[in-house]
Amino acid sequence: AQSVSQHNHHVILSEAASLELGCNYSYGGTVNLFWYVQYPGQHLQLLLKYFSGDPLVKGIKGFEAEFIKSKFSFNLRKPSVQWSDTAEYFCAVNGGGSYIPTFGRGTSLIVHP
Amino acid sequence: GAGVSQSPSNKVTEKGKDVELRCDPISGHTALYWYRQSLGQGLEFLIYFQGNSAPDKSGLPSDRFSAERTGGSVSTLTIQRTQQEDSAVYLCASSTDGATNEKLFFGSGTQLSVL
Repeated sequence: AQSVSQHNHHVILSEAASLELGCNYSYGGTVNLFWYVQYPGQHLQLLLKYFSGDPLVKGIKGFEAEFIKSKFSFNLRKPSVQWSDTAEYFCAVNGGGSYIPTFGRGTSLIVHP
Repeated sequence: GAGVSQSPSNKVTEKGKDVELRCDPISGHTALYWYRQSLGQGLEFLIYFQGNSAPDKSGLPSDRFSAERTGGSVSTLTIQRTQQEDSAVYLCASSTDGATNEKLFFGSGTQLSVL
């Protein structure tokens, strides 16, 4: 069975600080990896995804994530956060041909202006 | 509408009552998912519909939970004899064809509170 672990449950940063949110998954085969974001009062939406090719994936609003197969990781990064990045971030994985993404517990990010 | 629509947005019920939650996916999307999000927890998979195939019910926590999808479009999640531990946000999502690398489009959820 696939599982996803997000190490940081709550992160507080000041504007312009760099961000890295950890995500590790358990499945050993071919995977599709996703980061979703939920801004306050809004629905969950896709930030970026990886399914093949370049392991460094770029998403919306300056976010990127790197798939490191040997570490079973897909960490989310942004070099300089903004107050508007305050949100809940969820990592998700589909493995082994499963059509059902497994989600992590989520990381709450608060960015102070 | 342009997105996934869920109703009601909030539901308060008494323990032991039945509730029905509705999801209207994006038109043309054949795959539909139900997830549950409890306070401080991630998204817990409940059930998956894909076209006319039999649904994947492997995530339903008990036989009090059931769901159907009529005409390949609207879906209803029913919880019978609600318990306090059923309190959560119930999220519906749809995708174009349920392919493994497809992104999910989520609704705003139904906040269920069982008193």
